[in-house]
Amino acid sequence: GESVGLHLPTLSVQEGDNSIINCAYSNSASDYFIWYKQESGKGPQFIIDIRSNMDKRQGQRVTVLLNKTVKHLSLQIAATQPGDSAVYFCAEMGGSGNTGKLIFGQGTTLQVKP
Amino acid sequence: DGGITQSPKYLFRKEGQNVTLSCEQNLNHDAMYWYRQDPGQGLRLIYYSQIVNDFQKGDIAEGYSVSREKKESFPLTVTSAQKNPTAFYLCASSKRTPQETQYFGPGTRLLVL
Repeated sequence: GESVGLHLPTLSVQEGDNSIINCAYSNSASDYFIWYKQESGKGPQFIIDIRSNMDKRQGQRVTVLLNKTVKHLSLQIAATQPGDSAVYFCAEMGGSGNTGKLIFGQGTTLQVKP
Repeated sequence: DGGITQSPKYLFRKEGQNVTLSCEQNLNHDAMYWYRQDPGQGLRLIYYSQIVNDFQKGDIAEGYSVSREKKESFPLTVTSAQKNPTAFYLCASSKRTPQETQYFGPGTRLLVL
């Protein structure tokens, strides 16, 4: 069945270092992926997305990499700041009868140490 | 100021009571969604609507009901049939599916008295 999972529940990094958050997905038919950031008590905030016809996409301080061969997605955050501390979710969409349904992973908590 | 609003921020439900959570968007999005989030968990889809007067069940629709009478509004009712309603409820909207980014509201936390 479909599932989206994150490799590590918690990631702790030093302020200024780069962060890499990983995500594995099981549905090879998924063709659209999104990363969200969720701060405590708030709704998820869109960070970046990528479609299956791409393997890399860059935003401001963030990069998403997609490896369809091994069904792996990663989010790289450059020069991590205390404000980046949050839970990060990957989500996938697509597959049979694509209805726009997103499937979310469990989330990775990013802790930034000063 | 465009966006998605949810109200109330906190809601308390008594045993046997139905409660309704509000979701409004002024983004002119066609599609709207309701998700449930339990502590330390990802989001699970309750109901979604791709167009006015039409909606479909998500993965955990039992004990919930929705309506979509206006493009801007997608209220969720948590009925007494939902035996474990305590959770964080999130509403989202997007342009007409498929493959459009979903944007989320601030959420409503439902607690049972």
